[in-house]
Amino acid sequence: DAGVTQSPTHLIKTRGQHVTLRCSPISGHKSVSWYQQVLGQGPQFIFQYYEKEERGRGNFPDRFSARQFPNYSSELNVNALLLGDSALYLCASSLALNEKLFFGSGTQLSVL
Amino acid sequence: GDSVTQMEGPVTLSEEAFLTINCTYTATGYPSLFWYVQYPGEGLQLLLKATKADDKGSNKGFEATYRKETTSFHLEKGSVQVSDSAVYFCALRGTGNQFYFGTGTSLTVIP
Repeated sequence: DAGVTQSPTHLIKTRGQHVTLRCSPISGHKSVSWYQQVLGQGPQFIFQYYEKEERGRGNFPDRFSARQFPNYSSELNVNALLLGDSALYLCASSLALNEKLFFGSGTQLSVL
Repeated sequence: GDSVTQMEGPVTLSEEAFLTINCTYTATGYPSLFWYVQYPGEGLQLLLKATKADDKGSNKGFEATYRKETTSFHLEKGSVQVSDSAVYFCALRGTGNQFYFGTGTSLTVIP
């Protein structure tokens, strides 16, 4: 069975641009969460979606947005990129809320 | 608010040495506690968990006990192997199902 897949694996952008990151959950999983992991730090919670509805939002500016599609895949959008947005963005899926998280390998975003 | 404080690394041990990685937490209510491991080039994987006070989580020779009185969830292994080299993250699941992670502890085991 395929695990959580994220695309692209690496991405380079310049300040002010926007970026879209994609995540496909494990088949049957209905919840997707997004985390930002800055080098040397632990993952920081950005969003959680369940059944296409936002169920949680971390302390991130409005430049960050996300959505979940009917097939339960998800996109994370970041507008007006800043240098400080450079990080590994992790997607995790779970069967439902309160269930075990399965993480993807992440998208490494570099903002120049 | 909810948070996790984790022992800073990096930690370097010889094979078969005893491992302890300290983790303490701050939370409202009664969170579930987790240890995740991240091998080089891979995503985070759940190593073990405990959902209530005095529970002991265990997996692959690793253990951690949920201590409410000391708000701790220290990770231990009696005899580490080279294959245990990875970054270890302590985490709690707090209100709203949000996970809070520690900063991670890098472990290198040398033969």
